Amino acid sequence: KNEVEQSPQNLTAQEGEFITINCSYSVGISALHWLQQHPGGGIVSLFMLSSGKKKHGRLIATINIQEKHSSLHITASHPRDSAVYICAVFTGNQFYFGTGTSLTVIP
Amino acid sequence: GAGVSQSPRYKVAKRGQDVALRCDPISGHVSLFWYQQALGQGPEFLTYFQNEAQLDKSGLPSDRFFAERPEGSVSTLKIQRTQQEDSAVYLCASSPIRYEQYFGPGTRLTVT
Repeated sequence: KNEVEQSPQNLTAQEGEFITINCSYSVGISALHWLQQHPGGGIVSLFMLSSGKKKHGRLIATINIQEKHSSLHITASHPRDSAVYICAVFTGNQFYFGTGTSLTVIP
Repeated sequence: GAGVSQSPRYKVAKRGQDVALRCDPISGHVSLFWYQQALGQGPEFLTYFQNEAQLDKSGLPSDRFFAERPEGSVSTLKIQRTQQEDSAVYLCASSPIRYEQYFGPGTRLTVT
């Protein structure tokens, strides 16, 4: 069973397109993270959310606690945004990770 | 100072060999996590330390896996008698408080 589900698994977009990645979870959480992983394995934390919405540059993350759902949006996508985006939830005891969304942005 | 560092970055081991993977967390971070990430999958929790205490090792897949953090800073994940299914990226993360995570670059282990 997967506590965290992401969609889509793979996404290809043209440069400049608006991108949405979705995350649904089945456990009670105290925080949700959006992570970015580039080839080679390094993971960078983009956002940590417990409610509402956060924006950082071209990235926007939203969470709906009642619906157990979060979205990551990328506006005006760029080839350097190509990476795997992982949703992770913290239950208070442990982190659970989605399998990631592999994004490729084509020039 | 610097972020979380891990060494080696890449390790190739023959089946049956023992390996030791090192994690240097961010100075002052109390919590340290180890994860295993198989190809195409998200990270899976292995174990968690608060200072030198290993508070949760429920994710360790077998008794061949052992982790320690004797002085509450550097941690070592040891895998004995490696098997092919142990091939994965091993990620370490540290945090000042439990719900944050600062990841290292990972160690890619290949067992041949």
